[in-house]
Amino acid sequence: DVKVTQSSRYLVKRTGEKVFLECVQDMDHENMFWYRQDPGLGLRLIYFSYDVKMKEKGDIPEGYSVSREKKERFSLILESASTNQTSMYLCATATGIQETQYFGPGTRLLVL
Amino acid sequence: AQTVTQSQPEMSVQEAETVTLSCTYDTSENNYYLFWYKQPPSRQMILVIRQEAYKQQNATENRFSVNFQKAAKSFSLKISDSQLGDTAMYFCAFMNSFSGNTPLVFGKGTRLSVIA
Repeated sequence: DVKVTQSSRYLVKRTGEKVFLECVQDMDHENMFWYRQDPGLGLRLIYFSYDVKMKEKGDIPEGYSVSREKKERFSLILESASTNQTSMYLCATATGIQETQYFGPGTRLLVL
Repeated sequence: AQTVTQSQPEMSVQEAETVTLSCTYDTSENNYYLFWYKQPPSRQMILVIRQEAYKQQNATENRFSVNFQKAAKSFSLKISDSQLGDTAMYFCAFMNSFSGNTPLVFGKGTRLSVIA
């Protein structure tokens, strides 16, 4: 079974803080993705990575950056958290861009 | 740009009954993939079913089946013999065969409640 873990289930941060969300997978998948999920908006892609040190912007990259130094780990960084970044963040992995994505449990982030 | 529309924000069904969740999409491409994902309350999103557009046969996975109408750009999910464990958010998703900036496009979801 594919295992995708995220560093925290719940996180509370203050406006202006730098926030790191980590995702780790154990299936040697090439591709990793970060989404945010908001009620009534579904899932929106923030960034994805198809290889170590490679990244591509998704639909809503503003205010976020990512890091992929190792194949199994994909980090989402909020350089200066804002209240409009309060959301559920989901990580996903896949063997290829067109393959089925496997999701982590999600991190619910609250920015005060 | 591709879009995915789920017109039913919420639905409910009695246990053991059948329910159909609707999904329509907009694309000018001929080759693509369609997915239904399920997100139970406080649990991980999992794949329910996947359909390749070039296959005419509708995908089936146990009690879950799809009605894929390519000309109408419709991809509905039918859940037979509904169980309490089917209570979840269901997301329809589209993926172009030639991926660009956005590999997977999701609809806004349908919240399904199965009632005992």
